[in-house]
Amino acid sequence: AQKVTQAQTEISVVEKEDVTLDCVYETRDTTYYLFWYKQPPSGELVFLIRRNSFDEQNEISGRYSWNFQKSTSSFNFTITASQVVDSAVYFCALDSNDYKLSFGAGTTVTVRA
Amino acid sequence: ETGVTQTPRHLVMGMTNKKSLKCEQHLGHNAMYWYKQSAKKPLELMFVYSLEERVENNSVPSRFSPECPNSSHLFLHLHTLQPEDSALYLCASSLLGGAGDGYTFGSGTRLTVV
Repeated sequence: AQKVTQAQTEISVVEKEDVTLDCVYETRDTTYYLFWYKQPPSGELVFLIRRNSFDEQNEISGRYSWNFQKSTSSFNFTITASQVVDSAVYFCALDSNDYKLSFGAGTTVTVRA
Repeated sequence: ETGVTQTPRHLVMGMTNKKSLKCEQHLGHNAMYWYKQSAKKPLELMFVYSLEERVENNSVPSRFSPECPNSSHLFLHLHTLQPEDSALYLCASSLLGGAGDGYTFGSGTRLTVV
């Protein structure tokens, strides 16, 4: 069985603060993919990153960075120098190549000016 | 626009009505999905179509009926819904196995059952 846990329900920060979103996953598969999606108020899920289980290199894309630690089954996401436009719900998801993308419950990030 | 278009964006329907949600993609993807997003709950996978064949029905009640006439279009036919079916319904598409960038989602249809 697959499971994704995002323990933080809501995070509120002031602009320019860094914010880290936690994601812990469970799977028995050795090959799997991890995702992060952003859902702004408009509703669509915006793809941020896809990481396969064999690639543990951390990644940085602009103000976004991801820390994949297979030993602790975690795939955390950090927004550096947050901006108001970063306010959204962020979802971590797991896919074990069987069409079943399992989502965490999401973390609502509010960035105040 | 993400490349996956859903219509309508908003829908209010009575419990005795019949309506359909439409999803369209022209990304060259060959798998399509319906997800349900209810308040305070994780996204739930409802149906999966791969090469126009249904490969997954995640214990969804029969009042929801999917249809995939070709690899670019996906419908969700609704009839005799209940108020608890009110939710955001998201369509997604991908290459088989979620290769490439994985799954592309539409903006969703916000459904309210009265």
